[in-house]
Amino acid sequence: DAGVIQSPRHEVTEMGQEVTLRCKPISGHDYLFWYRQTMMRGLELLIYFNNNVPIDDSGMPEDRFSAKMPNASFSTLKIQPSEPRDSAVYFCASRSTDTQYFGPGTRLTVL
Amino acid sequence: GNSVTQMEGPVTLSEEAFLTINCTYTATGYPSLFWYVQYPGEGLQLLLKATKADDKGSNKGFEATYRKETTSFHLEKGSVQVSDSAVYFCALSEGGYQKVTFGTGTKLQVIP
Repeated sequence: DAGVIQSPRHEVTEMGQEVTLRCKPISGHDYLFWYRQTMMRGLELLIYFNNNVPIDDSGMPEDRFSAKMPNASFSTLKIQPSEPRDSAVYFCASRSTDTQYFGPGTRLTVL
Repeated sequence: GNSVTQMEGPVTLSEEAFLTINCTYTATGYPSLFWYVQYPGEGLQLLLKATKADDKGSNKGFEATYRKETTSFHLEKGSVQVSDSAVYFCALSEGGYQKVTFGTGTKLQVIP
């Protein structure tokens, strides 16, 4: 299995622009998680899905963030408009039984 | 609620030294416990896990024992290598609750 796939690996954008991060979970995993990692706040859970349905989005920082999972093999995290404080590494993870498997992350820099 | 407390880093050791990274947890039930490792520029990878009291998880020379009486899951390795330099996260997942609660991570640096 290829593992969790994320794209792009690096994204540099200017403040105010829309950013879309993409994730392909491991086939057969029914949970998908989006995390954000920064030096200041560590690893934060943003939102997670079960069978493509959002279950808990309480970690989404504000309305500028949105996430979708149109099918079992694809999810997006969108930031519109982006701000410099959104700069972070964003991880997607999928879950089998009690173990989460993380993607390599997308490093986002908002100038 | 659930929580995980790890020792603060960074931890700096010489190659072949013994490693202990402390982890304690708070949970209302009987969680599964995990150690994840994050190498520079990469995502978190599962290192080992234990699902019930007194279980020992082990992988790549690392070990951790689920101690219910002390609510601890300390990570140990007898002889560290430079390639073990990474950030280590202790975590728990409780019953049917799908979220994983992560500790803040402990950075390990091994010098030759």
